[in-house]
Amino acid sequence: EAQVTQNPRYLITVTGKKLTVTCSQNMNHEYMSWYRQDPGLGLRQIYYSMNVEVTDKGDVPEGYKVSRKEKRNFPLILESPSPNQTSLYFCASSGSNSPLHFGNGTRLTVT
Amino acid sequence: AQTVTQSQPEMSVQEAETVTLSCTYDTSESNYYLFWYKQPPSRQMILVIRQEAYKQQNATENRFSVNFQKAAKSFSLKISDSQLGDTAMYFCAFMKYNNNDMRFGAGTRLTVKP
Repeated sequence: EAQVTQNPRYLITVTGKKLTVTCSQNMNHEYMSWYRQDPGLGLRQIYYSMNVEVTDKGDVPEGYKVSRKEKRNFPLILESPSPNQTSLYFCASSGSNSPLHFGNGTRLTVT
Repeated sequence: AQTVTQSQPEMSVQEAETVTLSCTYDTSESNYYLFWYKQPPSRQMILVIRQEAYKQQNATENRFSVNFQKAAKSFSLKISDSQLGDTAMYFCAFMKYNNNDMRFGAGTRLTVKP
């Protein structure tokens, strides 16, 4: 089954404790991206990657890191999480001129 | 930069009736794609319908159809015969041609009442 697998589904952590949200897709898509969803703001892009070893900032990249060492994986790293990064996070992938396929989301709470 | 505006934060409709969700966008591109995604309480993002800007014919998918007005930069979603399972957040999205960068509106929360 074609899918984007994102883990964990829920994550509660404390300020400053490094965390990684994993994302993997099995559709051989070159494009992958991360979004955060906040009430009243819709989905805002954090980072995206056009291919292996090629990443770029989206609209809200501060406080986040990504890497794309393999085509299928695109982890999101929060080196020092802060409460304002409490949000719902989505990983997505797509082929050329195709709609995004989304993971099931990660609800992150930073206390 | 492209922007997508959904001016209705919340809407409600009676079961079996028709509802229209509005979306406008701003772009200088001539070729692009528009989408509606549905996010039920499970928070999955589900593609509802897609429209290519170069196609004049409005897209339809069963009970879902769009009214695409390119000159007005408007892309509304019509849901006919609303069902309880249509209760969800709906997001309008824009994507440039040959560019996978997708921009989203703030969303419209739709409640279908029995």
